[in-house]
Order: sequence, then C-alpha cells, then structure tokens
Amino acid sequence: NAGVTQTPKFRVLKTGQSMTLLCAQDMNHEYMYWYRQDPGMGLRLIHYSVGEGTTAKGEVPDGYNVSRLKKQNFLLGLESAAPSQTSVYFCASSLTGNTEAFFGQGTRLTVV
Amino acid sequence: GQQVMQIPQYQHVQEGEDFTTYCNSSTTLSNIQWYKQRPGGHPVFLIQLVKSGEVKKQKRLTFQFGEAKKNSSLHITATQTTDVGTYFCAGRGATDKLIFGTGTRLQVFP
Repeated sequence: NAGVTQTPKFRVLKTGQSMTLLCAQDMNHEYMYWYRQDPGMGLRLIHYSVGEGTTAKGEVPDGYNVSRLKKQNFLLGLESAAPSQTSVYFCASSLTGNTEAFFGQGTRLTVV
Repeated sequence: GQQVMQIPQYQHVQEGEDFTTYCNSSTTLSNIQWYKQRPGGHPVFLIQLVKSGEVKKQKRLTFQFGEAKKNSSLHITATQTTDVGTYFCAGRGATDKLIFGTGTRLQVFP
C-alpha cells in the first residue's frame, strides 16, 4: 500500500529551467494538494484539486501550474525556475474535503 | 484570505513538563485538524475537531476547538522525547482550501 508517492525526491535546477513534480496516490482520493515548506513559514498551499479535471489556486500559486488529468495523479510544473522556488514540496491527498490528508515524503528542490 | 497563525513558534521544555500550542484563524473554520511532523519527515495526521467547543484526548494529548470555531489548542501533558517535532494546525474556512498554521516546533530535553 504505497499511499502518496512523490517523484523525484531531490532535484537541483538552474535558474530558468523547467520541471514537473509528480504526485501519485492509490487511495482513490478526490482531493489533492501541493504545498511548499520553507523555514519559519509552515506549509503554504500552492494549488489544489477537488477532483479529476479540476484545479484551483491556493495561497502562493504564482510561478506554478498544475494538472489533474487522472484522478490518481497531480502534477506540479515550474515553467521557469527561480531561486525563490528553492523549497521542500509536499503533495497530499484526502478522500473528501472533511477528512484527513495523507502526505507524500516530499521533494527537496534547489534552484541555483 | 484565510490566515492561520500559531504560537509559540518554538518551545523548548524539559522532559516531564507540559506543552501547549495555540492556533488562531482569521475566519471561522468548518473543522480543524492537527498534524505532527518529525524532523526530516512529512506531516502526519493526529486528529480532527468539528464541533464548537469540542475537546478530544489521545493519551497525553488534549485537543480543543474554540466556541467561535476560530481557534484551537493542543496540550501535551508530561512531555517525552518522542514528542519532539513540529505541530501544525490546519483548517478549512468557506472554501475547499486546507490552510496550515505556521507550526510550533517542540524540543524536549531529557
């Protein structure tokens, strides 16, 4: 039972490069979320989805795009990476909007 | 937009002492959840509170949801070294956004 799996676990990007972070869940959850975690800032919501084919902006969406083409997958894209996007990224999923969220192991991204 | 603040940001205690973290939302919440993140790990769900004034206990942990559903607290009695980590509250207001608090990092000295 994998739960929530994030790929990759670590990545170093040069400024201006693009990349996609993949989140996959095998729990048939409707809701999926992308957060970034920076020291002293807690977890900040980037984008989220309430079901296949839907996406919505969170607290800090600028510089990121997302897609939820399949229910089990939630992709986070950085079109042109900036040093300010250096962070630990967490994906999470929940069955509904009123149930617990399960988190992936995180992706540590460094933009140089 | 909805903001969730937690205090204190850090807390260092001697093993056996009690610990409390407070969570305050700028908007009324439909529910409040609490998570624990161990150093180097990911957040793990602890509990959810839904009703106004609700109190729930898990062994040495006591969770409370305020009457106005805008604040919450987590109290740990007689801390142990295994309690080390960062504790987050998270809540939903009128939207589907699950907004996390800023977290309280707990350090326990033996």
